[in-house]
Amino acid sequence: NAGVTQTPKFRVLKTGQSMTLLCAQDMNHEYMYWYRQDPGMGLRLIHYSVGEGTTAKGEVPDGYNVSRLKKQNFLLGLESAAPSQTSVYFCASSYGGRAKNIQYFGAGTRLSVL
Amino acid sequence: EDQVTQSPEALRLQEGESSSLNCSYTVSGLRGLFWYRQDPGKGPEFLFTLYSAGEEKEKERLKATLTKKESFLHITAPKPEDSATYLCAVRPGTSNTGKLIFGQGTTLQVKP
Repeated sequence: NAGVTQTPKFRVLKTGQSMTLLCAQDMNHEYMYWYRQDPGMGLRLIHYSVGEGTTAKGEVPDGYNVSRLKKQNFLLGLESAAPSQTSVYFCASSYGGRAKNIQYFGAGTRLSVL
Repeated sequence: EDQVTQSPEALRLQEGESSSLNCSYTVSGLRGLFWYRQDPGKGPEFLFTLYSAGEEKEKERLKATLTKKESFLHITAPKPEDSATYLCAVRPGTSNTGKLIFGQGTTLQVKP
């Protein structure tokens, strides 16, 4: 039982390049989330999904796109990376109902945009 | 605007020296307050959920309490392995999707 798995763990991009971050969960969770964590800013929600085929914007969605084609996977895309997107990205997942409050996090992807 | 503020930003303790971390919140209806632990280079790990004022939860040397405006994470006789960043988060009453608002965290260092 791996929980929430993020790939890759590290990545360096040049400005303007694109990439996709993959999040996979094996807990049959309905809800999935993408956050970014920056020094002094805390975790900020980028996009989230309440079920397969659904996505919604969070607090800081600009410059990112997401897709949830399968229940267990949640993809975060950067179409044209910018230095401001240098950050640590975390994926999380949770059950529905009141239990949906408990979010389980992956180990993170450390992204540098030069 | 919903907001979560944690203090202090950093805390250094000697092993065995008890202390408390504070989480103050302003939220439109509280559906839950959460404490997470984050070790360097890892994702946050869930510790506690508190739902109503007066509620308390305990786990080993940690005890979380909740009032209408703030939460405290009390650490009794800490050990070096308690060193980590502790994150506080709230779920506003307007959130039906489990969305959380996080504070900036308190980084705790416990020296032997």
